[in-house]
Amino acid sequence: EAGVTQFPSHSVIEKGQTVTLRCDPISGHDNLYWYRRVMGKEIKFLLHFVKESKQDESGMPNNRFLAERTGGTYSTLKVQPAELEDSGVYFCASRQTGSSYNSPLHFGNGTRLTVT
Amino acid sequence: AQSVTQLGSHVSVSEGALVLLRCNYSSSVPPYLFWYVQYPNQGLQLLLKYTSAATLVKGINGFEAEFKKSETSFHLTKPSAHMRDAAEYFCAVSERGGYQKVTFGTGTKLQVIP
Repeated sequence: EAGVTQFPSHSVIEKGQTVTLRCDPISGHDNLYWYRRVMGKEIKFLLHFVKESKQDESGMPNNRFLAERTGGTYSTLKVQPAELEDSGVYFCASRQTGSSYNSPLHFGNGTRLTVT
Repeated sequence: AQSVTQLGSHVSVSEGALVLLRCNYSSSVPPYLFWYVQYPNQGLQLLLKYTSAATLVKGINGFEAEFKKSETSFHLTKPSAHMRDAAEYFCAVSERGGYQKVTFGTGTKLQVIP
């Protein structure tokens, strides 16, 4: 089966610009997660979709971040306007419905975002 | 709230030596625990998971971890390091029930010296 794919793999933008990251989960996975890793720090949870609904968005840093998952398939994460502190690697992960011990997270390769 | 602490952001071992990566967790309820590995330019890959069956968990590539409730630890070990083990390793915790949000540690980079 195809894994979780993320696009682009790298993005370099200037402060104030807008960037949209895309994640295609494994087909059939209802649960989709966004995580972010700022250099040298832990991988931090951003939000969790169950199908097209936001189940938990407690990790979203502020209202400059907007995540969508129209139709319950792929998801986008838009940052507008980008700030320097938004730089980092954004990971997407998906999981089947069910408890985590039976169906662990499957991660994409991440999008490395650099804001200059 | 749940959390994990990984001791040592960088660990170096010689090829063939024991690998020991430390992880301590904090959780208000019995947790699920995981180790993930990230190879260069790749996503995170599950190494092993603890779900309350055996306390000694065996994973892929010869790694194993032991759940010690009294020490709130879940250290990762491998008897003999190989060059291909050079990667970054993340300990993670998830509470049971609900949607089981996974919380990660800060990661440990393992360097294997030939």
